[in-house]
Amino acid sequence: EVQLVESGGGLVQPGGSLRLSCAASGFTVSSYWMTWVRQTPGKGLGWVANIKQDGREKYYVDSVKGRFTISRDNAKNSLWLQMNSLRAEDTAVYYCVAGRYSFDYWGQGTLVTVSS
Amino acid sequence: DIQMTQSPSSLSASVGDRVTITCQASQDIRNCLNWYQQKPGKAPKLLIYDASNLQIGVPSRFSGSGSGTDFAFTISSLQPEDIATYYCQQFGNLPWTFGQGTKVEIK
Repeated sequence: EVQLVESGGGLVQPGGSLRLSCAASGFTVSSYWMTWVRQTPGKGLGWVANIKQDGREKYYVDSVKGRFTISRDNAKNSLWLQMNSLRAEDTAVYYCVAGRYSFDYWGQGTLVTVSS
Repeated sequence: DIQMTQSPSSLSASVGDRVTITCQASQDIRNCLNWYQQKPGKAPKLLIYDASNLQIGVPSRFSGSGSGTDFAFTISSLQPEDIATYYCQQFGNLPWTFGQGTKVEIK
């Protein structure tokens, strides 16, 4: 059974940091680009970042460039999103997703709330 | 960024009805479009990829069509389990972007 399990969300003050983790199982993680997608009630779904199978290519939405870093370790079947200088507008449910162009597998999401 | 405009934002239909949702891209994205279904409290699920290809395991009452800037998603015979919000997503140009969603309810 395919599973993607996110963790690391929570309440953080503006300007703070969080590191999201994603543990994958049930499929060959090393064969997939991996992606973070976020969802807010107001702005809907938004693509955040993705990373190639070997970790050598990474892409980010402009609003998080320089603040967020995506990384992976295929040996550990793990994906991370380091989020620094957090802003209120980063408040969302963050999903770990397998796929580059189409998002085949999704985690259950982890809620990040940026508020003082 | 490419803007994806979905319509309608919500609809109410009877069981067995044919339901169509449209998605318009702000520029040509060829066939680089996917459709997802999201049920309350759950993550989205891929239904259609590359505009018209049915994902494995997805019922055949779901279909997609279109290319360029205009796309459509159809449920040929609405079932109670289809109650959800549906999203289009383009991957023609980075950043990938989503439509705002269409909430489908049973009349």
